Amino acid sequence: GQNIDQPTEMTATEGAIVQINCTYQTSGFNGLFWYQQHAGEAPTFLSYNVLDGLEEKGRFSSFLSRSKGYSYLLLKELQMKDSASYLCAVRGHSGYSTLTFGKGTMLLVSP
Amino acid sequence: SQTIHQWPATLVQPVGSPLSLECTVEGTSNPNLYWYRQAAGRGLQLLFYSVGIGQISSEVPQNLSASRPQDRQFILSSKKLLLSDSGFYLCAWSLAGLWEQYFGPGTRLTVT
Repeated sequence: GQNIDQPTEMTATEGAIVQINCTYQTSGFNGLFWYQQHAGEAPTFLSYNVLDGLEEKGRFSSFLSRSKGYSYLLLKELQMKDSASYLCAVRGHSGYSTLTFGKGTMLLVSP
Repeated sequence: SQTIHQWPATLVQPVGSPLSLECTVEGTSNPNLYWYRQAAGRGLQLLFYSVGIGQISSEVPQNLSASRPQDRQFILSSKKLLLSDSGFYLCAWSLAGLWEQYFGPGTRLTVT
């Protein structure tokens, strides 16, 4: 089975940097995904890591350590529009591209 | 470019009534298709996925069913809704062999 843990809520200030952590225990591993979900809307794809290390995409970066079962999403130069839930998801070895999602981290950015 | 549609956007149904939610994808062929449910305070739960017409895999046993009558059409159904079926239903697609999933706008279902 799969188990994914993320903090429930985080708060940060506009312009700051925030790191959202995700730990996982899986029977197999074939990639970790981060999604952003604004209230009442569908999740949108942010990043994908399958090898150890840091993937940078604009203001967002995602890091993976497979040996530690650990990932983080780093958001720089926070903007008010970054207030959203951030979902960590893992693809195991079984199934056709099926993902197991964590419960998400609600990030509130204040002025 | 690819787009994914879901309807209806919102739905209020009484307990015991039937359900049919539809999802269609445009701009791609032979996609993998997925149905998820997101209940209040809970994460996204995978309900069904399909890798081709008529091929459905169920992840969670329940009173829901899914069908894929056409390559880019995915339908979620129930014969009798329960209160616990309330939630935000999301359809997603991915290219076969690739793993990023892209979500439709969702249907918010309230069972009363």
